[in-house]
Order: sequence, then C-alpha cells, then structure tokens
Amino acid sequence: EVQLVESGGGLVKPGGSLRVSCAGSGFSFRSYSMNWVRQTPGKGLECVSSISGTSSYIYYADSVKGRFTVSRDNANNSLYLQMNSLRVEDTAVYYCTRGGMVRPFHPWGQGTLVTVSS
Amino acid sequence: DIQMTQSPSTLAASIGDRVTITCRASQSISSHLAWYQQKPGKAPKLLIYGASSLQIGVPARFSGSGSETEFTLTISSLQTDDFASYYCQQYNTYSGTFGQGTKVENK
Repeated sequence: EVQLVESGGGLVKPGGSLRVSCAGSGFSFRSYSMNWVRQTPGKGLECVSSISGTSSYIYYADSVKGRFTVSRDNANNSLYLQMNSLRVEDTAVYYCTRGGMVRPFHPWGQGTLVTVSS
Repeated sequence: DIQMTQSPSTLAASIGDRVTITCRASQSISSHLAWYQQKPGKAPKLLIYGASSLQIGVPARFSGSGSETEFTLTISSLQTDDFASYYCQQYNTYSGTFGQGTKVENK
C-alpha cells in the first residue's frame, strides 16, 4: 500500500523556524516528484513546493520563496520542508503528496498542523 | 502562473440530484486536470485525473469531461456520502494550481 506520513508540525512564534518531514512507503520513492500542499480556511489549497525525483527541479510558490527549502533523501524515502522566517499567515495544515508535472497528486498524507502565533 | 476558476463556491442539493461543478483554466492545460473530494478533517482524495479518467475505487456516478480550458465534474445521482468539498487542480505545470473549491451541502 502506498502511504505518506507527515510529522514535525507544531506551534512556533513569528520569525521562528520549523522542519516538517514526510515518510513514503509502498512505492519507488525516487521515481516520483513530491509536493508540499498547505490548506488554510481562508485561502484553500496551495502547492507551496515541489521537487523532482532527482532533486534537479524545484518549485516554490511566491508566498514562500526565500523562506522555505524543500529537500528529499531518496535513500530513506523521505521528504522535508524547512520553514524559516515563519509568519502568522503560514499557519495551515501541511500535506505531503506524490505526483506533479503531468501526474495528479495521489496519494496524500494525513497532514500536519503548523501554527504560527505569539 | 495558471489560474483556476471554479464555480459555484457552494451548491445545495438533495439525494438523487444530478450535480455539476465547473472549472476554467486561464490558459490551456491539455487534459492535465484532476478533481478531488475532501471531507472535514481529512486529506483530499483523488476522484478524476486526465480530465475524465476515474480513479480506481471511485463510484461510477462521478464523471469528468472537458479539455484545454473548460472542465466539468458531474455526480449523476447524489448520495449521502457525497456531501463534501470538491476541488479542481491543474497539474500541467509544477505550480499545481487548485480551484477555490465547491462545497456540496444538503438542501
């Protein structure tokens, strides 16, 4: 069974940092692009970052560019999102999902909540 | 970036109704369009990909159509389990833009 499990969410103060992780299983992790999608009540679903299988191509939404860094460890089937200079508006549930660039996003992890508040 | 415009934002319907949701892309995305269903507290679930291909395990009452810039999700006969939010998404580019969502409510 293909599975994605996020971890690392929590409460952080504005200006702080947090790293969220995603563990993949049940598929050839290195063969797929991976993505971080966040969801806030006010702005719906937003793909904030994507990374190709070999890390040769990386995408960031304008809203996080320069603050967030995506990476992957194919040897350990893991995806990461390092979030720096966090803002209140980064508060969201962050989902890890497989796919992108002519592949639909499937499946999705259960999500991890990141709350930025003083 | 490609913009996705989805309508309506809310839809009130009854069991057995035929339901149609539309999605428009700001430029051609070929058939790289997916539809997702999301229930409260859960991750989105893939229903349709390639504009019209049904994901394995999804009931046949769901169907998708369209190409280039105009797309439609249809539920032929609404069931209790279908009250949820629905999102379209283009995956023609890495930005993977989503529509604003449609909440299907019980009339």
